[in-house]
Amino acid sequence: NAGVTQTPKFQVLKTGQSMTLQCAQDMNHNSMYWYRQDPGMGLRLIYYSASEGTTDKGEVPNGYNVSRLNKREFSLRLESAAPSQTSVYFCASRVPGQHYFGPGTRLLVL
Amino acid sequence: AQSVTQPDIHITVSEGASLELRCNYSYGATPYLFWYVQSPGQGLQLLLKYFSGDTLVQGIKGFEAEFKRSQSSFNLRKPSVHWSDAAEYFCAVGAREYGNKLVFGAGTILRVKS
Repeated sequence: NAGVTQTPKFQVLKTGQSMTLQCAQDMNHNSMYWYRQDPGMGLRLIYYSASEGTTDKGEVPNGYNVSRLNKREFSLRLESAAPSQTSVYFCASRVPGQHYFGPGTRLLVL
Repeated sequence: AQSVTQPDIHITVSEGASLELRCNYSYGATPYLFWYVQSPGQGLQLLLKYFSGDTLVQGIKGFEAEFKRSQSSFNLRKPSVHWSDAAEYFCAVGAREYGNKLVFGAGTILRVKS
């Protein structure tokens, strides 16, 4: 039981490049979330998926897209990376009462 | 709009001293509340949570928090801090009415002096 896993752990992109951050959970949770963490701002919700087949915008969705591929996987895509997207990205899944967070992906956009 | 305020960006305490980290929230629904801790370069670990019932909740690592509805606060406390408690602490609020999404405070960085 690995919990919530994220790949890659670290990535460097050039402005304008695209990439997909992968997230998977093996706990059979319905709800999954993508947050970004920036110094002095805590974690902010980018997108979430209440169940397989549904996705909704969070607080800071601009510049991102998501796919809930199946119940296990929830990916985050940057179509054209910008320096403002330099951040640490956390995926989470949820059961009533608790969110489970992945280890994070550190993204640097040059 | 929902918001969480952690007024202290940094706090320094001596090892063995008591600790209180403040958290205030503004929420349009009955909230449930969390405290998470994050060590440098690591993910988030849940310290404790409040949903209902007894307003004083106990968590891991000797931490406790008290929910005060009248003050919209959920302050985290520890009677005696250890050097290993040095980390960043986040208060978070959620509600079923808002899709169970968490809103986080900006965090408080705790330094422990030996």
